[in-house]
Amino acid sequence: GAVVSQHPSRVICKSGTSVKIECRSLDFQATTMFWYRQFPKQSLMLMATSNEGSKATYEQGVEKDKFLINHASLTLSTLTVTSAHPEDSSFYICSATGQGETEAFFGQGTRLTVV
Amino acid sequence: GQNIDQPTEMTATEGAIVQINCTYQTSGFNGLFWYQQHAGEAPTFLSYNVLDGLEEKGRFSSFLSRSKGYSYLLLKELQMKDSASYLCAVKDSNYQLIWGAGTKLIIKP
Repeated sequence: GAVVSQHPSRVICKSGTSVKIECRSLDFQATTMFWYRQFPKQSLMLMATSNEGSKATYEQGVEKDKFLINHASLTLSTLTVTSAHPEDSSFYICSATGQGETEAFFGQGTRLTVV
Repeated sequence: GQNIDQPTEMTATEGAIVQINCTYQTSGFNGLFWYQQHAGEAPTFLSYNVLDGLEEKGRFSSFLSRSKGYSYLLLKELQMKDSASYLCAVKDSNYQLIWGAGTKLIIKP
């Protein structure tokens, strides 16, 4: 199957700082990328959907000024958590799908801990 | 609203068979997925159903009935490594994936 690489896998940051998470499709063109957040023992919650070259569409309740998403190319999307707080600590996962693909391919996930 | 229901937790014995059910109510339907997720890891794809019937893939099979809004994942010859969460997800009319909360499967020796 296709490969999606997410980096970093783990990050610890201080409260008030910003953290950038990268999601790359290695062997296909990702026309659409999805960013999810998952709290312990809970389901994946979609945060936003981004299409290459256009602004991301955020789900209700997700602050677009806090979670900045950039999808500048067909192989790279980034999520920046700005002014992080301890309640932002979570598991963040990206997934990507190419044109015509039925399956979404997932990155390895990023465990963010804000102290 | 959109809703996907699956049991929270199931327990089964190594070597046995287990069936994990999923019912859904979504705005439109463009396929149903089953994913396996080990704790702290991203989900991995198991199966995709878009037409009614049974799809078999090795020890895992997935069934879909669109008229009933129902699917199940069948795991045979259970192994300890099958202990994980199993996520049911449906692609709605906007091709967005709607996720169930997942079923934690515990395998006992």
